[in-house]
Order: sequence, then structure tokens, then C-alpha cells
Amino acid sequence: DIQMTQSPSSLSASVGDRVTITCRASQSISSYLNWYQQKPGKAPKLLIYAASSLQSGVPSRFSGSGSGTDFTLTISSLQPEDFATYYCQQSYSTLSSTFGQGTKLEIK
Amino acid sequence: EVQLVESGGGLVQPGRSLRLSCAASGFTFDDYAMHWVRQAPGKGLEWVSGISWNSGSIGYADSVKGRFTISRDNAKNSLYLQMNSLRAEDTALYYCAKSRRSPPTEIYWYFDLWGRGTLVTVSS
Repeated sequence: DIQMTQSPSSLSASVGDRVTITCRASQSISSYLNWYQQKPGKAPKLLIYAASSLQSGVPSRFSGSGSGTDFTLTISSLQPEDFATYYCQQSYSTLSSTFGQGTKLEIK
Repeated sequence: EVQLVESGGGLVQPGRSLRLSCAASGFTFDDYAMHWVRQAPGKGLEWVSGISWNSGSIGYADSVKGRFTISRDNAKNSLYLQMNSLRAEDTALYYCAKSRRSPPTEIYWYFDLWGRGTLVTVSS
């Protein structure tokens, strides 16, 4: 099975900061990598798919990059509504998947 | 309205069974693969199982293989998860999720619609 490791597990930042979250796969997954945002009590929301494609309706301050085993999610200028938990997800196989353990982004 | 609504969760004793359902509306259900994803209290997301549009392909996480069975009824726009031999570690909020393939090449897939979840608690 493909393991996904996110870092850091938690992060404190201020409004306006640039933030980067990293996700590493245990084997090459090409660009089969998605990013989700989850707020307390809510279902996850898709931000980025195929490593770098922005989902419709998601603000352009969110961006993704990487391929193979190393990926990043960047928020260029944090807004108050961005404080949440972020998950990466590999979709290398058609009906199998794994998530990273999550990165909780908190207000400094 | 495009939505997924899960039901069937509850409190169940270890070793017993439970069947979850997910009712889909607002989209052509049999065009898409469907999945179950769970989240233990205070923990991260765990993919549980997925099924292709015609039930021809199915996958399970190792943690549930041999105990859980996913199925769908396209005539009823419904997805199911039969959970047998339940364990305390199966306690979680179970989400139904729709996957779609990325336009225009359809090479990549991702979850683009989630339900609100149904809570399963396994405890004596």
C-alpha cells in the first residue's frame, strides 16, 4: 500500500502569511495527488486535484505543485477562513486510496 | 439539489453487524464510482472502500477487507456498506463520497462530493 506522510502535523501562522504544507508518498504516484480542506464538523472540500489543478471556485491563493513522491500545497496569503485541517490524498489506483495524516493550520 | 445523505449509523456491540446506506440525488448516479471514507473521533481521514459505476470493480482498505462489503443499487441511486465483525477501532464518522475523473483527459480522479456522514460507535 502507498503511504502518505504530511508535514508538519500542525502549524501556527498569521493572516497574510505564506504557508507551505508538504506531502510525501512512499512510492512514485506521478501527479495522482489531491488536496482537501476540512473545517470542524464539516465534510472535506476539494482544493487541488492532479497535484496542481485548482478546483473550480477555490481562491487562487491556493496552489499545488510536485510530482513523483514530493508535493506541496501553498497558501500565498492566509485569510481568516483558511484556518482548518488540510489533507493530501493519493489516487494512483482506480479503487484504492490513502490520505495523509493531516496538517492543522492554527492562528498564531 | 446535488447531495449525498448517509444513514444507518448507531451504537453497536463488538462483533455485531451494521449496514450503512447513502442516498444520492441531483446527479446521474450510475455515471460515477462511489466510496466510503471514515474519520475516527479527533483523527484523520481513512479511505474504506470504493465501487465502480457498474459494480464491476471494488476495492477495500486492508483494515476492513474480509469484514466489510460495499454495494450499490443504481436503480435506487443508493450506495451501501455492510459491516460485519465490528471492532472498537471501527468507531468513526462514515462519509459517502462521489468520485469523478478530471476533465478533459479523465486520467486523474478525486472526491468532488461528500455527504455529512453517519456516526458508527462500536462499544459494549
